[in-house]
Amino acid sequence: DVKVTQSSRYLVKRTGEKVFLECVQDMDHENMFWYRQDPGLGLRLIYFSYDVKMKEKGDIPEGYSVSREKKERFSLILESASTNQTSMYLCASSFFQGRTEAFFGQGTRLTVV
Amino acid sequence: GENVEQHPSTLSVQEGDSAVIKCTYSDSASNYFPWYKQELGKRPQLIIDIRSNVGEKKDQRIAVTLNKTAKHFSLHITETQPEDSAVYFCAASYNNNDMRFGAGTRLTVKP
Repeated sequence: DVKVTQSSRYLVKRTGEKVFLECVQDMDHENMFWYRQDPGLGLRLIYFSYDVKMKEKGDIPEGYSVSREKKERFSLILESASTNQTSMYLCASSFFQGRTEAFFGQGTRLTVV
Repeated sequence: GENVEQHPSTLSVQEGDSAVIKCTYSDSASNYFPWYKQELGKRPQLIIDIRSNVGEKKDQRIAVTLNKTAKHFSLHITETQPEDSAVYFCAASYNNNDMRFGAGTRLTVKP
């Protein structure tokens, strides 16, 4: 059974704090993704990674960075949290080729106050 | 990058009716088109997908059609049931990299 696990279900942080969101998958997937989910805007791609130490910007990378030091772990970093980064963050992973279904984590509801 | 548009944003049908959700994409290189269902408070889960070498795919009450020339694809749900009520997302990507999603359709099936 594929598991994509995000480190926190709910987080409350203060404006200006550095925030780390962690995602771990146990299926040896090459691809990992970070999305932001807001009502009416769907799932917007922040960053994705297709290999260790590789990263590509998505549609809304501003204010975020990522780290992939190990294949199973993909971290999203908010360098200086702002209130407009209050959102649901979803991590996903998939194989690079072959069976390409993406599996999602349970999401992290981040509130920046 | 790829841009995916999805319509309608909300859809309400009577139980037993059919529901159709439509998406368009911008990048002609995209070759993989999945559909995800997200129930309230849960994570999105794949319900059906189609590759660009296929025009239609069915799985029981759900089907997806793809028109590569027009760059649009659609989800069809027949004989809808209350448990089909959820938010549905379409997506497009090249070989499952760089996956972009539509804005979602909230489907409500009234008993």
